[in-house]
Amino acid sequence: DTGVSQDPRHKITKRGQNVTFRCDPISEHNRLYWYRQTLGQGPEFLTYFQNEAQLEKSRLLSDRFSAERPKGSFSTLEIQRTEQGDSAMYLCASSSIRNTEAFFGQGTRLTVV
Amino acid sequence: AQTVTQSQPEMSVQEAETVTLSCTYDTSESNYYLFWYKQPPSRQMILVIRQEAYKQQNATENRFSVNFRKAAKSFSLKISDSQLGDTAMYFCAFMSYSGGGADGLTFGKGTHLIIQP
Repeated sequence: DTGVSQDPRHKITKRGQNVTFRCDPISEHNRLYWYRQTLGQGPEFLTYFQNEAQLEKSRLLSDRFSAERPKGSFSTLEIQRTEQGDSAMYLCASSSIRNTEAFFGQGTRLTVV
Repeated sequence: AQTVTQSQPEMSVQEAETVTLSCTYDTSESNYYLFWYKQPPSRQMILVIRQEAYKQQNATENRFSVNFRKAAKSFSLKISDSQLGDTAMYFCAFMSYSGGGADGLTFGKGTHLIIQP
């Protein structure tokens, strides 16, 4: 296991299209987080899964954003009807229950044109 | 809600010098975790050092150490004998203990640290 993997690394989409990003956490980690990072800012927390349960989703930016983690393994983040303001880096992180250290993926950079 | 403030957008020091990055935070909680994460250019964020708020002793990891002043809500990072590979964005982050991790990390805006040869 080489760490948290995110796919794709880059995505360019036209305004109004739907996009989906995938995150594969470290295999033994049951906690999974999604963050958004815009230029010049620190990451902003979006949502949290413990195993397959989405325990925090109130911080998703709008109802156009949704996330899933079927079977408690990989996770997907979907943005519907993308807007230019959605352009950002989307980061995934995972951790174990016993350790507060979050391991981050390299992120998916979304550009909405 | 918690907030994290990093007041130094950018810092530049010579290789081998010591540099201190500042961070202040605001919370009403008494138990929490504080972190410094490093984000090198085009690479993923990695943990540098962490501090549990209930521990009075400042955390140390090799050349990295923190000055944690709970009453002042201050959490600075000191990098000794700085190296070219330390060039990166550094983020201070807060995690609530009571939330059990469900609230994620609250990050500051970051400090861009440049180590000059």
